Amino acid sequence: ETGVTQTPRHLVMGMTNKKSLKCEQHLGHNAMYWYKQSAKKPLELMFVYSLEERVENNSVPSRFSPECPNSSHLFLHLHTLQPEDSALYLCASSQARLASDTQYFGPGTRLTVL
Amino acid sequence: AQKVTQAQTEISVVEKEDVTLDCVYETRDTTYYLFWYKQPPSGELVFLIRRNSFDEQNEISGRYSWNFQKSTSSFNFTITASQVVDSAVYFCALSDSGNTPLVFGKGTRLSVIA
Repeated sequence: ETGVTQTPRHLVMGMTNKKSLKCEQHLGHNAMYWYKQSAKKPLELMFVYSLEERVENNSVPSRFSPECPNSSHLFLHLHTLQPEDSALYLCASSQARLASDTQYFGPGTRLTVL
Repeated sequence: AQKVTQAQTEISVVEKEDVTLDCVYETRDTTYYLFWYKQPPSGELVFLIRRNSFDEQNEISGRYSWNFQKSTSSFNFTITASQVVDSAVYFCALSDSGNTPLVFGKGTRLSVIA
């Protein structure tokens, strides 16, 4: 595998379910990101991890819980979501968390909350 | 504060036409980086180019070219002889010095019709 991979690619869940999104980067990067892309909104940064430490949390509701066990893996744990949480969730990674570092994105997980 | 404006929401062209996607940015920093990404229907954001604020040379890569003009705070993207495979949403993004997050424009949806 190369680049950034995300699983699953599609997920349908009820509001009472608990599920997790997985992201893996094969680029040797030290920073990882979760973004949310809704139908009519610009890309929203949710969380940033640098060297496995969470460095940014953009006022994301607690029903989204990130986890970064090592620099190659990033999870987004989901519980008691709302229909408005339906969106494309994109993971990205970069060499470090510098302005000059290019972020490389995975294919995304398209989430539907019923 | 940083801001990226992509005024063109949707553009439709006939195959083989040239098309220019506009991007205007705002930042108070003298050191900053500009990016273009392509998002095809599959969802993944594909990195196209990064440009730093000290390099105003225009860049050409095959049918793609970029025009960076600091005087007008613009970083426009031109596709020459467009093809159906160019149909996608294109995002312009900005990061400035420090650890500020990448700021995206709202994107321009390009449809190339055969």
